[in-house]
Amino acid sequence: DARVTQTPRHKVTEMGQEVTMRCQPILGHNTVFWYRQTMMQGLELLAYFRNRAPLDDSGMPKDRFSAEMPDATLATLKIQPSEPRDSAVYFCASGRTSVPFFGPGTRLTVL
Amino acid sequence: AQSVSQHNHHVILSEAASLELGCNYSYGGTVNLFWYVQYPGQHLQLLLKYFSGDPLVKGIKGFEAEFIKSKFSFNLRKPSVQWSDTAEYFCAVITGGGNKLTFGTGTQLKVEL
Repeated sequence: DARVTQTPRHKVTEMGQEVTMRCQPILGHNTVFWYRQTMMQGLELLAYFRNRAPLDDSGMPKDRFSAEMPDATLATLKIQPSEPRDSAVYFCASGRTSVPFFGPGTRLTVL
Repeated sequence: AQSVSQHNHHVILSEAASLELGCNYSYGGTVNLFWYVQYPGQHLQLLLKYFSGDPLVKGIKGFEAEFIKSKFSFNLRKPSVQWSDTAEYFCAVITGGGNKLTFGTGTQLKVEL
């Protein structure tokens, strides 16, 4: 049963610290998405990649967020420096056709 | 830009009641439509999807949705809800044959015994 995996599942950090979230897409999926979920904003698309190339990162604050795919089995989302308003659940999703499958998310708390 | 509207933010039903959650989108071209469910503390799971063909789509757990192009709607239905259906439900759309999934704000469903 293929699944998207994300690490860590929970992260508590202090303001100003660097945070790196990792995602392993389902093998064979060529599209990877990063979403952020908050009570106030709901689900927001931060960035997505196709065949490891970034296609759209317009939803991501460029000054502190960065997303990369070092290889086909790993996607990373980095926040540096982190701020309390970054507290949210960050979901990675992958897809091969137009059906994204979501990972379990990383719950980030920035104090 | 495309958008998705879910008008019911919170719905409370008794077990065995019928469910209909509204979803409207704003885009005049080709759309792929989805309903996802998020159980408390869990990730999003795909309930059903519409790409083309029969506008009445059946998904998992007894859910179905009907695509009405003239109304730009894709409402989710279930004839008889169960307590275990308590969750948040998200409508989403991909437009123009792309990959970018745009979500609605979600509807929190609570089913009471």
